[in-house]
Amino acid sequence: ETGVTQTPRHLVMGMTNKKSLKCEQHLGHNAMYWYKQSAKKPLELMFVYSLEERVENNSVPSRFSPECPNSSHLFLHLHTLQPEDSALYLCASSQEHRANYEQYFGPGTRLTVT
Amino acid sequence: LAKTTQPISMDSYEGQEVNITCSHNNIATNDYITWYQQFPSQGPRFIIQGYKTKVTNEVASLFIPADRKSSTLSLPRVSLSDTAVYYCLVRLYNTDKLIFGTGTRLQVFP
Repeated sequence: ETGVTQTPRHLVMGMTNKKSLKCEQHLGHNAMYWYKQSAKKPLELMFVYSLEERVENNSVPSRFSPECPNSSHLFLHLHTLQPEDSALYLCASSQEHRANYEQYFGPGTRLTVT
Repeated sequence: LAKTTQPISMDSYEGQEVNITCSHNNIATNDYITWYQQFPSQGPRFIIQGYKTKVTNEVASLFIPADRKSSTLSLPRVSLSDTAVYYCLVRLYNTDKLIFGTGTRLQVFP
């Protein structure tokens, strides 16, 4: 138990569906992150939020839309996804958006796009 | 851009010491070398992080030579539960960005 929870743990959706992934951290951290982990590929950083403000967006398609209503919650809204978007989506948090602070990861949401 | 290279897989036996070496030729002066462990269906878990020379905690040691072009994660007396994927990555000091590689799959046998 890392103090970062993600729901749902598994999600199957069609290409025309709209769904959302939820992340919650119970650590009092100020920074939160979304990563994508595809089979046999390195983790890819998607979005970074610091104190509810987006500070980094790594050329992610607009069909992925993040939302950070407060420093404890992070959402990833999904719309019109493609089969290649199937992956493990990981949320992480850290005390601050600084290299000195380790990132704590949630268990991930296994997404399958059919 | 910083990039890490590590062996794809390693095998070991319970009770042995395991050393996983990682190459990172282009890291900047203030970048950190960080190791994470990942079990199936779980997120990566922080193991250890270092800047230079040697760092030790309750689960591992990290050795970083003076030229900082490589580093070695040392796991003393591994057990079956250490079977996992281990990621060596560079943590960019200026942006806090983690540059993940493809990881080393460690299999520990009885």
